[in-house]
Amino acid sequence: GNSVTQMEGPVTLSEEAFLTINCTYTATGYPSLFWYVQYPGEGLQLLLKATKADDKGSNKGFEATYRKETTSFHLEKGSVQVSDSAVYFCALLKAAGNKLTFGGGTRVLVKP
Amino acid sequence: EAGVAQSPRYKIIEKRQSVAFWCNPISGHATLYWYQQILGQGPKLLIQFQNNGVVDDSQLPKDRFSAERLKGVDSTLKIQPAKLEDSAVYLCASSPADRDSAEAFFGQGTRLTVV
Repeated sequence: GNSVTQMEGPVTLSEEAFLTINCTYTATGYPSLFWYVQYPGEGLQLLLKATKADDKGSNKGFEATYRKETTSFHLEKGSVQVSDSAVYFCALLKAAGNKLTFGGGTRVLVKP
Repeated sequence: EAGVAQSPRYKIIEKRQSVAFWCNPISGHATLYWYQQILGQGPKLLIQFQNNGVVDDSQLPKDRFSAERLKGVDSTLKIQPAKLEDSAVYLCASSPADRDSAEAFFGQGTRLTVV
């Protein structure tokens, strides 16, 4: 079956530090890949996506590249802010069935 | 645009009791999803509605969970009787009919604690 594995948190860093959250997946065929963010007290929000190999998704300074050869979709941001403190979820979607599979989430805490 | 509304925000019940959650999706969204998010895990789809019909309920524990979406708008999710392992955040999401589940809008969730 499909699965998503992401690094466990919490990840604690200082403002302006570089952030990487690793995500790898298992799926047959060519899924679409996503990162979601959940800010404290809010619902899940789609952060970025990539629908085919070598695509790069980007939004709000975050980037992730769909690497089929390593089945990965790592999330990066060059300079984090306190407002980036949240839980980040990696997910995949197979067109057939239209069912999202989420990773376990990574909590990120950015300190001033 | 109003978002997906859920109530209550928090609920504490004893095991074997019943509980119901309510969701009001974004106006005009034909597709509605209920997810269960256990602490430390990602959300897991319980049921998907298209208007008032069920599209997928393969992961819904039907012996104790039920959901309905009368008139294709609001939806309720019920657990009867609750077990300790049902403690989780229950998320509702909605999307237009022509969008896939990845582009759904999520509510804030209902945090259920079963003691």
